[in-house]
Amino acid sequence: IQLTQSPSLLSASVGDRVTLSCKGSQNINNYLAWYQQKLGEAPKLLIYNTNSLQTGIPSRFSGSGSGTDYTLTISSLQPEDVATYFCYQYNNGLTFGSGTKLEIK
Amino acid sequence: EVQLQQSGAELVKPGASVKLSCKTSGYTFSNYYMSWLKQMPGQNIEWIGNIYGGNGGTGYNQKFKGKATLTVDKSSSTAYMDLSSLTSEDSAVYFCARNEWGYWYFDFWGPGTMVTVSS
Repeated sequence: IQLTQSPSLLSASVGDRVTLSCKGSQNINNYLAWYQQKLGEAPKLLIYNTNSLQTGIPSRFSGSGSGTDYTLTISSLQPEDVATYFCYQYNNGLTFGSGTKLEIK
Repeated sequence: EVQLQQSGAELVKPGASVKLSCKTSGYTFSNYYMSWLKQMPGQNIEWIGNIYGGNGGTGYNQKFKGKATLTVDKSSSTAYMDLSSLTSEDSAVYFCARNEWGYWYFDFWGPGTMVTVSS
């Protein structure tokens, strides 16, 4: 399964509601996770199984979707959210998307 | 506290091999899989393969069969990855990351080891 993330670059203001998209080439059956990777660091698990928030992750992060289309939403963007966000599917093989780089405007 | 501690950066010559390590603490090693993943600049993260801490059973991405060999030392709760016949295409950051049996997302990652293949 190929994953296409959009946009590849997103610039938003502090406090904005931000939505990142991930589209699969086939049905993912909700076996989708989101990772946050800050520069020079390892990826951090934010969301698994489409909408389950990993322990310790702020509640401003949420996930949704079904079938081939999935979304990560940050309800109120904070300066520390600057990072690249990857979606990852584990329904059929194990594949990552190419990432969305999130910047502060 | 779960910790995955990876070995330091490597500079290796083409054709050589390298062995990376991932020493774990803070959880029961034998109850989890350890995966290894490759990240090259501008490329998607790739799953290389995994190994079960309990019995050393392995699974590999077909692309990396023959390139990577995964092993564990249960006595020290450490996972290893051997990379052989290195080329410039193997220059990357390699992460270890754990997943629980039956769950295929990775909840804790090591900080990564940068491997540079250059003469």
